[in-house]
Amino acid sequence: GNSVTQMEGPVTLSEEAFLTINCTYTATGYPSLFWYVQYPGEGLQLLLKATKADDKGSNKGFEATYRKETTSFHLEKGSVQVSDSAVYFCALSSGIKAAGNKLTFGGGTRVLVKP
Amino acid sequence: ETGVTQSPTHLIKTRGQQVTLRCSSQSGHNTVSWYQQALGQGPQFIFQYYREEENGRGNFPPRFSGLQFPNYSSELNVNALELDDSALYLCASSLGENTGELFFGEGSRLTVL
Repeated sequence: GNSVTQMEGPVTLSEEAFLTINCTYTATGYPSLFWYVQYPGEGLQLLLKATKADDKGSNKGFEATYRKETTSFHLEKGSVQVSDSAVYFCALSSGIKAAGNKLTFGGGTRVLVKP
Repeated sequence: ETGVTQSPTHLIKTRGQQVTLRCSSQSGHNTVSWYQQALGQGPQFIFQYYREEENGRGNFPPRFSGLQFPNYSSELNVNALELDDSALYLCASSLGENTGELFFGEGSRLTVL
């Protein structure tokens, strides 16, 4: 079956530091890949996505590239802010219509940015 | 534009009881999915409803059931509650049954004693 593995947290950084959160996946076929973020006291929200190999998703200064050869979708941001403190989830959908919107999530990585 | 709303936000039940959780989808969204998120873990897919029919289910027993109403709102019902059912239950809506782009509510925190 499908699975997603992401680095465990917490990750503690200073403001303006570079952030990388590793994510690797196991899936058959051609999955779509996502990063969702959960800010304190809020619901999960989509941060970015990529639907095919070599696609780069980007939003709010975050980027992730769909690497089929390494089955990875690492999240990066060049200069984090305190407001980026949140829990980040990597996820995939199988791309098979019968599976609907079934997302397989990683365990989440908590990021804390200190001023 | 109204987002996804869930009720109740918190509830406590005892083992063996039944619970109903409710979800109003984002305006215009016709698909609702439910996820269970145990503490410190990622969400796990329970099932999805599209046009009032279940059209995808995860590895959850039949005592987890649901409904979708004509206005696209939804309910999650859990019978014969077990201690391991304690979790945050997330509802997500989307426009379409296979996009992966979900809009989540803040969840209903269920504690089973």
